[in-house]
Amino acid sequence: QSALTQSVSVSGSPGQSITISCTGTSSDVGGYDYVSWYQQHPGKAPKLMIFDVSNRPSGVSNRFSGSKSGNTASLTISGLQAEDEADYYCSSYSRRSILVFGGGTKLTVL
Amino acid sequence: EVQLVESGGGLVQPGGSLRLSCTASGFTFSSYTMNWVRQAPGKGLEWVSYISSSSSTIFYADSVRGRFTISRDNAKNSLFLEMNSLRAGDTAVYFCARSSLRGSYYFDYWGLGVLVTVSS
Repeated sequence: QSALTQSVSVSGSPGQSITISCTGTSSDVGGYDYVSWYQQHPGKAPKLMIFDVSNRPSGVSNRFSGSKSGNTASLTISGLQAEDEADYYCSSYSRRSILVFGGGTKLTVL
Repeated sequence: EVQLVESGGGLVQPGGSLRLSCTASGFTFSSYTMNWVRQAPGKGLEWVSYISSSSSTIFYADSVRGRFTISRDNAKNSLFLEMNSLRAGDTAVYFCARSSLRGSYYFDYWGLGVLVTVSS
């Protein structure tokens, strides 16, 4: 069982917006602004999409945005595109375990 | 271009040992904290271990502490993971991942991974 809780799957049509949530505790997500999000296509290495809750690395589309409220972080993808279909993982610094990941959310673009 | 290339994976019996390597290029390896992250077949990501640039700070996940040892050789741009007392639950693709200079707790570059299978 993963330390951070993510919904198993989410879907949306091209052009729509979707939000993936990531729930932790005050010992991780809620206590620090060290939440990051990764995109992983099948058989590929993960790719950093968001760091420190809401920052985008150079080269990542501005359709990807991150936020946090209390113990829950969120990744929003606007203007869904076919290539966004992938697994998405959140992670956070944890006072207890150093670094923890969520179980992953499978995004399907209909 | 930043590149991380893992090697050393394979099939090992329960209780056995294996040493993974990660060879880095395209950046000043000695300046960066490095990590190992694994992914069991069909499962999510699990952080395994962290080593600071000078090897002065090392962390392990509870699931591997006492069995795995992380190390690095900055002169050879290499990261290692010595895995002992392997269990079936250690079966996974192991990724080498670089921590960003801006923050140690997210990974800006990943290798393609190497498969470790623990089975009799």
